[in-house]
Amino acid sequence: GAGVSQTPSNKVTEKGKYVELRCDPISGHTALYWYRQSLGQGPEFLIYFQGTGAADDSGLPNDRFFAVRPEGSVSTLKIQRTERGDSAVYLCASSSGQPMNTEAFFGQGTRLTVV
Amino acid sequence: GEDVEQSLFLSVREGDSSVINCTYTDSSSTYLYWYKQEPGAGLQLLTYIFSNMDMKQDQRLTVLLNKKDKHLSLRIADTQTGDSAIYFCAESGANNLFFGTGTRLTVIP
Repeated sequence: GAGVSQTPSNKVTEKGKYVELRCDPISGHTALYWYRQSLGQGPEFLIYFQGTGAADDSGLPNDRFFAVRPEGSVSTLKIQRTERGDSAVYLCASSSGQPMNTEAFFGQGTRLTVV
Repeated sequence: GEDVEQSLFLSVREGDSSVINCTYTDSSSTYLYWYKQEPGAGLQLLTYIFSNMDMKQDQRLTVLLNKKDKHLSLRIADTQTGDSAIYFCAESGANNLFFGTGTRLTVIP
């Protein structure tokens, strides 16, 4: 597509439920990143994929968070047993080359609200 | 770990220059970036500077880098109401970006 697409744009879920957030990167981009932006804060790194593999998952806060990119294109961020503190905007970005040597394009984000 | 700091708010009058400041901690960062975020929109890369440069100009935007003091600034000349947004400074890590908390720029007509 023309840009990075994230779905849904908004998600409200109950505490304890499981959610999946989807990111469709720019076609041909090998690098994909997930960030989390809490209210009034800058984005915080969660995980980076190069192709199908997670090259760096050091930003995932705990084992309730998991992400996959099985075919090296679309990625899904999965959150188990959601907590109110997980409420944030989850941003996805993709880039064509080595991380940070090329421009990363961001999607509009998924606003997750855990009630 | 990496720490990127910015002042939270800035107000300027339309037509004036805006200067947004940022300090960072990781002296090994290769690139430093400025992103713009408008309400309901994703992050848009405005400009970036390589760490061996001290200035970069791009139309109305001027980036100054003081590597000794780990200080980065973004100057917007002739600020317009459409420049109202949150501006994030970011430094490059090995595999990701470290962002500041953002500066909310308000342009007063």
